[in-house]
Amino acid sequence: AQSVTQLGSHVSVSEGALVLLRCNYSSSVPPYLFWYVQYPNQGLQLLLKYTSAATLVKGINGFEAEFKKSETSFHLTKPSAHMSDAAEYFCAVRGDTGGGNKLTFGTGTQLKVEL
Amino acid sequence: DTEVTQTPKHLVMGMTNKKSLKCEQHMGHRAMYWYKQKAKKPPELMFVYSYEKLSINESVPSRFSPECPNSSLLNLHLHALQPEDSALYLCASSQDRVRVQGRTEAFFGQGTRLTVV
Repeated sequence: AQSVTQLGSHVSVSEGALVLLRCNYSSSVPPYLFWYVQYPNQGLQLLLKYTSAATLVKGINGFEAEFKKSETSFHLTKPSAHMSDAAEYFCAVRGDTGGGNKLTFGTGTQLKVEL
Repeated sequence: DTEVTQTPKHLVMGMTNKKSLKCEQHMGHRAMYWYKQKAKKPPELMFVYSYEKLSINESVPSRFSPECPNSSLLNLHLHALQPEDSALYLCASSQDRVRVQGRTEAFFGQGTRLTVV
């Protein structure tokens, strides 16, 4: 079964600093990978997605992620953190089971942005 | 319109009550999902419907009963819940089976915050 692992349940950065949130996937075939963000008491919002068209994926709010097959990674980055980026971030993979409709999440990374 | 609408936003129910959560989307998606999310945890898949038929049931207790009356609506019927069922319940929808190249993402509603007393 396909899965994702997020390293670091909490990440703290200073405003203006680089944001790096880590995600590694487990898949025997090219996966469909996603990053979602969740603000307190809200649903999940899609930041970006990888669908094999390009290895460097740009998303909303200045975030981007690079798919590295050799490292089985799909890390999320943002050059300069803003206070409004403080939220929970989930990496997710859409698997082949259930007819290709099973979307499974990593354990999440809480991003804190400090002044 | 990329919106998934869930009602109600908040629900408090007793352990003997029967209630329903509702979800609606008008994006033409034929896959719809129910997730349960406890505080500080990732969403956990409960059910998946594909073309209005139940395709995945992640061994969810029978006190949760899903229903997909048509391609735009998804319900979750609740009966005899326990306090540990208190959580944020999220509905999502997507293209089924990645049929349309590139359109692989799921869209989520804002959730229903359920409290069982």
